[in-house]
Order: sequence, then C-alpha cells, then structure tokens
Amino acid sequence: LAKTTQPISMDSYEGQEVNITCSHNNIATNDYITWYQQFPSQGPRFIIQGYKTKVTNEVASLFIPADRKSSTLSLPRVSLSDTAVYYCLVGPLSNTDKLIFGTGTRLQVFP
Amino acid sequence: GAVVSQHPSWVICKSGTSVKIECRSLDFQATTMFWYRQFPKQSLMLMATSNEGSKATYEQGVEKDKFLINHASLTLSTLTVTSAHPEDSSFYICSAMRVNTEAFFGQGTRLTVV
Repeated sequence: LAKTTQPISMDSYEGQEVNITCSHNNIATNDYITWYQQFPSQGPRFIIQGYKTKVTNEVASLFIPADRKSSTLSLPRVSLSDTAVYYCLVGPLSNTDKLIFGTGTRLQVFP
Repeated sequence: GAVVSQHPSWVICKSGTSVKIECRSLDFQATTMFWYRQFPKQSLMLMATSNEGSKATYEQGVEKDKFLINHASLTLSTLTVTSAHPEDSSFYICSAMRVNTEAFFGQGTRLTVV
C-alpha cells in the first residue's frame, strides 16, 4: 500500500478556500485516492475519491496531477463545522485490501 | 448510502471483565471487515482484518488472544476485548467495503476500563 504524507495541521478562517495536499510517491497503477473526514469521537466519513485529473462533488474537489504522485483536496468556503481531521488514503478498490491510515491533517477553522 | 453500524457507542467496564463490540453492515454484505483502534489525538491503527467464515488476520503487535474477532455472517463482525485493563481504554472503529466502492466506517465505540 502506498504511503501517504500530509501536513500535520492547518489553520484557516471561515469563508476561505482550504487546500490540503497529500504526497503518495509510490502509488500503484490500480490505486485510487480517497479522502476521509473525521470529527472527534466519530468514525471517518467519506469525502471524495478519484483516480486522475479532477473530481468534484457537492462538498469538495480533488485535483490529481498526471503523475498521480500527489493529490490536493480543496474545500471551498470553509465554515467552523469543517474543523476536523482529514485523511488521504491510497489503495485499490478492493473489498479485501486493508486501508492504512497516515497521520492525517488537523484543520482548524477560526471565525 | 451504505451504512456500517457499531454497538455500543460507548461502554465502561471493570478491569478483568470482557467486552463485546458489534459491527454490522446494514445494507450490503461484507466478506471482509476491518477493526481499528484510535488513541486521543492519534490516527487510526489497524488491528485486524475480519474474514467471514474464517480466522481473522491480526496486525503485528496485536494480541489475538486478547482481541477476539468473530465474523459469523456476511453482515456481522464482533470484537471481544478479553480481560480488559485500563490500557485497553480506547476508541474502536470498524469498517467494511463493498466491491469497487469506498470504505464505510462505523461510528466507533468508546471503551473505558476502570
């Protein structure tokens, strides 16, 4: 499984756009990139998933360059409720392959 | 969307007793489920892979006799913490995947051993 590297923490203010970058230099051909959000005392919650280029849903965008060795989660106009830990995971879409969590990025949004 | 449910959400037990945590996939069949442990301010640490109808696969350093995992059906896996001690106090989370989709996580179980 590809190892991921993310910033330990980030600070932002309400209404700003937040970009969290994840490095995964050893990503394999059949690996997908998935981002999860975790609030204290809750299980991780799926945010977005992609394989290449750009993916957008109602809460975030995911940018993946051509070499796929990194990815950037973009959260538009964050609010206080976006304060959480964000995890980038890389692996195949197999229901038997284990997911290994990295350190995650602790995002703190200030008013 | 798919839902993975854990029960109980929190439990307090006395040192030396055993505690069982259930993980259910509510609307899909999960041949494989995963159990994680999380300490405060730390990331999720994979404990074991639970396989339906067979023995669980434990990660290095996880005591299989301490953390008993049973995956009796395609929708239920259980984690039993045996002879619990205060150092076993932690947040336990299960997850499951459908084929070719993202993983779904339970809401977690806060275990406190006193």
